Amino acid sequence: QLQLQESGPGLVKTSETLSLTCSVSGDSMNGRSHYWGWIRQSPGKGLEWIGNIHYTGATYYNPYFSSRVTVSIDTSRDQYFLRLSSVTAADTAVYFCVRAIYSTGSYFDSWGQGALVAVSS
Amino acid sequence: SYELTQPPSVSVSPGQTARITCSGDELPKQYVYWYHQKSGQAPVLVIYKGSERPSGIPERFSGSSSGTTATLTISGVQAEDEADYYCQSADSDGIVVFGGGTKLTVL
Repeated sequence: QLQLQESGPGLVKTSETLSLTCSVSGDSMNGRSHYWGWIRQSPGKGLEWIGNIHYTGATYYNPYFSSRVTVSIDTSRDQYFLRLSSVTAADTAVYFCVRAIYSTGSYFDSWGQGALVAVSS
Repeated sequence: SYELTQPPSVSVSPGQTARITCSGDELPKQYVYWYHQKSGQAPVLVIYKGSERPSGIPERFSGSSSGTTATLTISGVQAEDEADYYCQSADSDGIVVFGGGTKLTVL
């Protein structure tokens, strides 16, 4: 069974870069229709898609984040990564790593438990 | 930017039918997906491609769509169904969008 686990610092300083790792177990990352993504949820708020990456390295980003975000992948370590630069307090959120299925549209069939990242000066 | 609109809250008694709507201009052209999120947990996919149920999701969950409105129906609501429900789709460029969420309260 697929399992996703986020890891990384729980506190990031304003204007610095938020970095998270998602470790994947229980399934290959090389599925043709599988993408690997990040979604966040600010405290008391709804869900916000950040971006997805394919094992080939192809990426798709939410335009809202595209100037600040990088998603990368290392299939040899069964991991992928999120970097979000120039963070502010508005980036405080629970960050979920997810598996995205691309068929007719895309959706998220597996989620990590989430990692809370607080941004503070 | 493209938005999906959901009612903030829906309340039903146990055993009744709950209907949660999701409205968006692109819905006639894009599939809708539904997730529930119980307090303190990650979201779980309950409906994909508008009306398909993933393995392990009870039959009381169903999805439908008409024009610019999609509906998640929960028949015979149980106390364990109390959660936040989110719809998800995409805009005309394929950018993923979530609705604002609906809090389902089981009275």
